[in-house]
Amino acid sequence: NAGVTQTPKFQVLKTGQSMTLQCAQDMNHNSMYWYRQDPGMGLRLIYYSASEGTTDKGEVPNGYNVSRLNKREFSLRLESAAPSQTSVYFCASSEMLNLVGYGYTFGSGTRLTVV
Amino acid sequence: DAKTTQPNSMESNEEEPVHLPCNHSTISGTDYIHWYRQLPSQGPEYVIHGLTSNVNNRMASLAIAEDRKSSTLILHRATLRDAAVYYCILLSSNFGNEKLTFGTGTRLTIIP
Repeated sequence: NAGVTQTPKFQVLKTGQSMTLQCAQDMNHNSMYWYRQDPGMGLRLIYYSASEGTTDKGEVPNGYNVSRLNKREFSLRLESAAPSQTSVYFCASSEMLNLVGYGYTFGSGTRLTVV
Repeated sequence: DAKTTQPNSMESNEEEPVHLPCNHSTISGTDYIHWYRQLPSQGPEYVIHGLTSNVNNRMASLAIAEDRKSSTLILHRATLRDAAVYYCILLSSNFGNEKLTFGTGTRLTIIP
């Protein structure tokens, strides 16, 4: 099982450029999430999708857009990158969190630098 | 959202038990207590969760106070691979709307 796959792993952008971070999960989970993690800090939620066809804003959505393409894929787009968006981005998926043994599964992250 | 309080850092010797505390004095009756850990340069991984009773799994044990205002994650025999940031998170049991909110966690250092 691959779990949650994120691409690319590393990216350098110039200020004002756009890009899309891709995320795919193979666990048939309904819910998917995008987080960012700045140095020395915990993860902050950008957007989430509770089910296919729905998306909602998290704690820090400004400057980002998302698309839940199908049940497997959830992409994050930066339309005009800014240095403040330099961060590590994590995608996650989950299902029925509070049943014993279930929890979020995270990808390995995308390290994005905006210069 | 109910908040948790954890020490910023802890150290432990290899092969000894580790007790990671978490205070959550404003926990509500429907909040579950979740623990995740983040190894260096990796995404967080699920460790354990519970509601009222103590829980055990292959990774760790979770001890929950009777009043549920605090909990302790127990690693029974720490190894170097357990060096990570450990997050204690409260999660409402509102199905379909679960969102993990991370604090800064406890950075656990294992001393060989």
